[in-house]
Amino acid sequence: GENVEQHPSTLSVQEGDSAVIKCTYSDSASNYFPWYKQELGKGPQLIIDIRSNVGEKKDQRIAVTLNKTAKHFSLHITETQPEDSAVYFCAASISRSGATNKLIFGTGTLLAVQP
Amino acid sequence: GAGVSQSPSNKVTEKGKDVELRCDPISGHTALYWYRQSLGQGLEFLIYFQGNSAPDKSGLPSDRFSAERTGGSVSTLTIQRTQQEDSAVYLCASSLFFDRKLGGANVLTFGAGSRLTVL
Repeated sequence: GENVEQHPSTLSVQEGDSAVIKCTYSDSASNYFPWYKQELGKGPQLIIDIRSNVGEKKDQRIAVTLNKTAKHFSLHITETQPEDSAVYFCAASISRSGATNKLIFGTGTLLAVQP
Repeated sequence: GAGVSQSPSNKVTEKGKDVELRCDPISGHTALYWYRQSLGQGLEFLIYFQGNSAPDKSGLPSDRFSAERTGGSVSTLTIQRTQQEDSAVYLCASSLFFDRKLGGANVLTFGAGSRLTVL
C-alpha cells in the first residue's frame, strides 16, 4: 500500500521568511496530493492540492510542486506570518472516475513562525 | 449540519472499558473516514466507508476496534477493552465520492475530533 514520508517534523522560521515542507510517496499510481493545515484543537483543513497532470500550483502565498519521476512533492509558503503557525500534513491517494481511494497522510510538520 | 460533528469531544475511561465515538458527516457526503492521531504522530488511517460498498478496514489496529455506518450517514467507532495505548484523538472526515467540479479530488472535511484518554 501507499506510504507517505514527510520532512521536517518541526520547522521554525522568522516572520517574512519562506518555509518549505517536503513529502515522498511510494505508490506510483497515486495521482492526487493535498495539503492540510491543522490548528490547535481543530481538525485538519485543506489548504491546497495538486493532481499528477500538473507540476506546480499556486494560491497567493502558498504553492505546491510535484515531481512524479522522483515521487515527491513540496509545500512552499512565502512571506510567512504568525497565523501560518500550525501542523501541516501532506497526503496522497489514487482518485479516478468511479473510484476514490483513501487518503494516506504523512506524519506532519509543526511550523512555528516567530514574530 | 454545516460541518462534520463528532461526539463526545472528550472521553476519559478506565482500562478495560468499552467506548463508542460518534460521527455525523456532512449531509450528502457518501464517503466517511476515521483516522487516529496520537500525541506527536501523524494521521493514522483506520477505516473508510463509501456508499454501500464493503468498508476498507485495512487500518484497524486490532479486533478490539470496529466501526459501523448506519443508513449511509452516522458512523460509530467502537473500541472494546480499551488499553492505554488507545489514548489518542480520533478524527472523522467525510467527502463526496468523486467531485467532478474539483477534478475528481476527494476533499475531506474533518470534524474537531474526539479525544480519548484511557487511564
